[in-house]
Amino acid sequence: AQKVTQAQTEISVVEKEDVTLDCVYETRDTTYYLFWYKQPPSGELVFLIRRNSFDEQNEISGRYSWNFQKSTSSFNFTITASQVVDSAVYFCALRSRIQGAQKLVFGQGTRLTINP
Amino acid sequence: DVKVTQSSRYLVKRTGEKVFLECVQDMDHENMFWYRQDPGLGLRLIYFSYDVKMKEKGDIPEGYSVSREKKERFSLILESASTNQTSMYLCASRGRGRAYEQYFGPGTRLTVT
Repeated sequence: AQKVTQAQTEISVVEKEDVTLDCVYETRDTTYYLFWYKQPPSGELVFLIRRNSFDEQNEISGRYSWNFQKSTSSFNFTITASQVVDSAVYFCALRSRIQGAQKLVFGQGTRLTINP
Repeated sequence: DVKVTQSSRYLVKRTGEKVFLECVQDMDHENMFWYRQDPGLGLRLIYFSYDVKMKEKGDIPEGYSVSREKKERFSLILESASTNQTSMYLCASRGRGRAYEQYFGPGTRLTVT
């Protein structure tokens, strides 16, 4: 079965702290894609990153970084020097051929609050 | 930029009413999706469409139907709204091919009283 687990329901930190959002996934497929989306208070999900299962290289984009580890089926997201504008709900998602290339399976989401 | 628009941001309907939620995308995407978002449950797929007049059930299709008469428009229909359909509804679209990410609309918060 396809499953994505974001065990952290809510995280609250003070501005400028580093914060890591965890994502653990389950799939039987060897070819799959992992995603992170951000949902600010406005409601629209914003695409952040896509990784395919063959590329375990970690990625950094400004203050954002992602750590993909197939050995632990994890795809964690770290925000360095957090800012108030980072406050949002963050979703991790999985798409694989077993589930059907059309479908995204989402985690429950992590609500991140950055306090000034 | 990809633009996915939804007809309403907020909607209040009465139990038993027929409700239409409209979604339009402007990027000529083949695939379109309807999700509902509930606290603690993340996003769950209701229906999706991979071409005009084509549709497939998602994980929670009960109580819903869809219509895709034109490529750019995908409608979600609640035949007889019930209070347990109070939720945030998100539409998304995606181009053909596995590598493309989905683009989401701003959502419609539906309250059924």
